[in-house]
Amino acid sequence: DQQVKQNSPSLSVQEGRISILNCDYTNSMFDYFLWYKKYPAEGPTFLISISSIKDKNEDGRFTVFLNKSAKHLSLHIVPSQPGDSAVYFCAASLGGGSQGNLIFGKGTKLSVKP
Amino acid sequence: GAGVSQSPSNKVTEKGKDVELRCDPISGHTALYWYRQRLGQGLEFLIYFQGNSAPDKSGLPSDRFSAERTGESVSTLTIQRTQQEDSAVYLCASSRGTSRTDTQYFGPGTRLTVL
Repeated sequence: DQQVKQNSPSLSVQEGRISILNCDYTNSMFDYFLWYKKYPAEGPTFLISISSIKDKNEDGRFTVFLNKSAKHLSLHIVPSQPGDSAVYFCAASLGGGSQGNLIFGKGTKLSVKP
Repeated sequence: GAGVSQSPSNKVTEKGKDVELRCDPISGHTALYWYRQRLGQGLEFLIYFQGNSAPDKSGLPSDRFSAERTGESVSTLTIQRTQQEDSAVYLCASSRGTSRTDTQYFGPGTRLTVL
C-alpha cells in the first residue's frame, strides 16, 4: 500500500503561470516532508522541505504548504519557467529527529510550455 | 565538483546472473542510501548505512540483495541470481548525517536490465 501518493502523473502549465503539485499521505507519524526534482538520466535533486510543525515554507519561486489534518501537501511554483519541466517527487520521513530512509510518491511530470 | 557517482551507468545481464553496482558517495558524508525505481514507480528504499552503525536493511526485497560499505566510502550493492523483476534504476544517495536537515544527494543511477 502506498503511504505517499501523487495522484496526478502529469501536469502541463503555461510559462509564467502557477504550477501546483499535490501529494497525499496516509501515515500520521510522518513529520518531515520533502520535494525532489528529477531530470531525465539524472538523480533526483532536493528542492524544498517542510517540518510538520509548520504549514508553509517558501524558497524563492517555490512554496510548500502542509495541511496536517487533511494529510496533504502541495508545491507551488510561481512563476513557472520552461526549465522547471521535470518529474517532481514528494517524499516523507518518519523522523524522530532522524531522516533515515525516505518514502517517495510515484512522481508528477511537469511540463511548462513557453 | 565531487558529487555522488555510480557505476556502471547501464548494465544488461541475463536472468540468473549476479551483478554488482557501485556507489561513490560525496567525501565526508557518513550516511549512504540505496533506492531503486522501477518503471512508472516512485523511489523504493532498499538499505542505508550510517557511520559504523549496523545498516538498516529493512527495504531489501529478498535475500538475493545485499550491500556493503567500507568505512565511510564506497558501497557495493549485489544482486544474486537476478530476475526480470529486478530490472530498475538503482539510485545511491549520501548525506552528511541522518538528521532531518541533512539533504540526501543522489547519484545519476545505474539502469539494470535483466533479460
